[in-house]
Amino acid sequence: QSALTQPRSVSGSPGQSVTISCTGTSSDIGGYNYVSWYQQHPGKAPKFMIYDVNKRPSGVPDRFSGSKSGNTASLTISGLQAEDEADYYCCSYGGTNTLVFGGGTKLTVL
Amino acid sequence: QVQLVESGGGVVQSGRSLRLSCAASGFTFNIYGMHWVRQAPGKGLEWVAVIAHDGSSKYHVDSVEGRFTISRDNSKNTLYLQMNSLRAEDTAVYYCARDFGAVRYFDFWGQGTLVTVSS
Repeated sequence: QSALTQPRSVSGSPGQSVTISCTGTSSDIGGYNYVSWYQQHPGKAPKFMIYDVNKRPSGVPDRFSGSKSGNTASLTISGLQAEDEADYYCCSYGGTNTLVFGGGTKLTVL
Repeated sequence: QVQLVESGGGVVQSGRSLRLSCAASGFTFNIYGMHWVRQAPGKGLEWVAVIAHDGSSKYHVDSVEGRFTISRDNSKNTLYLQMNSLRAEDTAVYYCARDFGAVRYFDFWGQGTLVTVSS
C-alpha cells in the first residue's frame, strides 16, 4: 500500500477558507467511501475530524467539511481560526482490512 | 470518558524485541476493534495493525508482517503489540486507537509511546 498524496503545506488568513487535497487510487479512495481526516497539533495525538467522506463526529465544528471526486478526497476548512493551525492527515480504507494514510499537510494560519 | 494509555516504549538495540501495552478504560473494551498506528519523528502517520473485538482476526501492514503481532486481553482491558527483529526504521511514536466503523476509522487515540531502535 502506497501512502496517499497530500500537499506538504497550505495557508490562509483568519476568516478565509482553505482546501486540502488527498489523492489515492482506485484501490483506496476511488474504490470506497471510507475516507477520514485527522487533525494533529504539535506533540499531541491525532483528533478524529471527518469520516465517511463528509460526516463529522460529535463536537467537530461545521466549519470542517469533506468531499470526494474519483480518486481524490478533500477537506475544506471555512472561517479559518488560529486554533486550526495544525497538521492534517487523510486516511482511506485500502481493502482487506487495511488502512492507508496520506503524508500529511501543515496548515498555517497567517 | 474514553482513555487509552500506552506504555512499554524505550530504547532498544536493532534486532531485539519489545512489547507495547495499551490500557483502555471508560468504554466496553471487548466490543471494539483496536489499532496500532505509528509516527516516525517528523513524519506522517502509518497504520500498523488492527485486531477484532474478540481477537479472532488480525491484520498487519506489510512492512511489519512476520515481525510484529497485535493481540489483546479483554479480561485486562489491554491491547498489546509484540515487536520482534526491530529495525532502525521502526523508530516512532506508537499510538493505540479505538476502531470506529469496522476497520474504517480511529475515533479515540492514546498519547503514544516512543520506541527508539538504535544500531
